[in-house]
Amino acid sequence: SQTIHQWPATLVQPVGSPLSLECTVEGTSNPNLYWYRQAAGRGLQLLFYSVGIGQISSEVPQNLSASRPQDRQFILSSKKLLLSDSGFYLCAWSPITSTDTQYFGPGTRLTVL
Amino acid sequence: AQSVAQPEDQVNVAEGNPLTVKCTYSVSGNPYLFWYVQYPNRGLQFLLKYITGDNLVKGSYGFEAEFNKSQTSFHLKKPSALVSDSALYFCAVRALDTGRRALTFGSGTRLQVQP
Repeated sequence: SQTIHQWPATLVQPVGSPLSLECTVEGTSNPNLYWYRQAAGRGLQLLFYSVGIGQISSEVPQNLSASRPQDRQFILSSKKLLLSDSGFYLCAWSPITSTDTQYFGPGTRLTVL
Repeated sequence: AQSVAQPEDQVNVAEGNPLTVKCTYSVSGNPYLFWYVQYPNRGLQFLLKYITGDNLVKGSYGFEAEFNKSQTSFHLKKPSALVSDSALYFCAVRALDTGRRALTFGSGTRLQVQP
């Protein structure tokens, strides 16, 4: 069966510091991968999605970036965090079939102080 | 562009009563529609989806949803609510006929089931 991991689970970082959140998927090959941010426990904002190694689509221009160095690894980064980057970051994967049900990881709670 | 509206921020229902969480969508072409549930500080869990076929879709934990093309709606329902159903529910849509695989989510509806 497939599983998706995210770490760390929680993170507290000062403004201006760098960020690296990691997401890995097991039990599948060539998944589509997604990064979402959820602010204030409500709506999800799609940040990035990837259909293959090195292929990243950005949905919202901001100081975050994403990379996919391996087939089942998706990394969310920032060089300098802003207060507004605080939130709950969710990674998701979907199979390459057309139905595209997305399966979510446990999330990372980021607090920028 | 595709969009999802969940008109109710919160739905309150007594345990044992039927529940409905509303969702309407806007998409070019035929839609894929999904419902997810989120418990506090957790990721989203997939409940059910509509792709094609029967308009009534059955999913996990006794939930079902009815696709209504004329009203562009996909309301989530359960005949008898449980206290453990209390959570945040998200509707999502993706256009079938485009290459864009990302889902668009609604703003979420908080379901509170009172004992």
